[in-house]
Amino acid sequence: DAGVTQSPTHLIKTRGQQVTLRCSPKSGHDTVSWYQQALGQGPQFIFQYYEEEERQRGNFPDRFSGHQFPNYSSELNVNALLLGDSALYLCASSYQTISGNTIYFGEGSWLTVV
Amino acid sequence: AQKITQTQPGMFVQEKEAVTLDCTYDTSDQSYGLFWYKQPSSGEMIFLIYQGSYDEQNATEGRYSLNFQKARKSANLVISASQLGDSAMYFCAMTQRGAGGSYIPTFGRGTSLIVHP
Repeated sequence: DAGVTQSPTHLIKTRGQQVTLRCSPKSGHDTVSWYQQALGQGPQFIFQYYEEEERQRGNFPDRFSGHQFPNYSSELNVNALLLGDSALYLCASSYQTISGNTIYFGEGSWLTVV
Repeated sequence: AQKITQTQPGMFVQEKEAVTLDCTYDTSDQSYGLFWYKQPSSGEMIFLIYQGSYDEQNATEGRYSLNFQKARKSANLVISASQLGDSAMYFCAMTQRGAGGSYIPTFGRGTSLIVHP
């Protein structure tokens, strides 16, 4: 049973460019959340997708957008990249249970903006 | 708003000894969940242990136990018999059921644990 998979694992972009990160959730999971983790910090919530819609959003600008596909996979898009967008981007998948304790993370995508 | 505080930026422990990583939280809700994750240098967040706010017993998972003190709003992680492979960042997180039934974990800043021989 594959866990959460993310691609690419590492990438380098130039300031002003656009980037797309991809996530495939764990089998049986229908909800995907994205996090940004800057160096030395804890993960910060970007947004969550469920049933192909953005259900909740953190404190991130509109440059950050996403999408969820019918197979529950998801993309994170960042436009007009800034140097400060350099971070580890983590995808988490879950299935909505009563206790909410079934949240699994991928290995992340390391984004460097130069 | 929820808040998670991890006051120990770094901890050192000798192999085979026990170590406690501190976590305090702030919430006005009665229903919430507390998690600990391990993050090695590869970046993946590895789930370790979960405690629900209504659970009366402290959670345990192998060498990991969660010392849950609800009145003090603390959820410390205890790792017994430390191993060299335990060296990593450790994050405490809390979830509450939000709009639309979603659970969004809020993370602390993490504690770096180094286990030395």
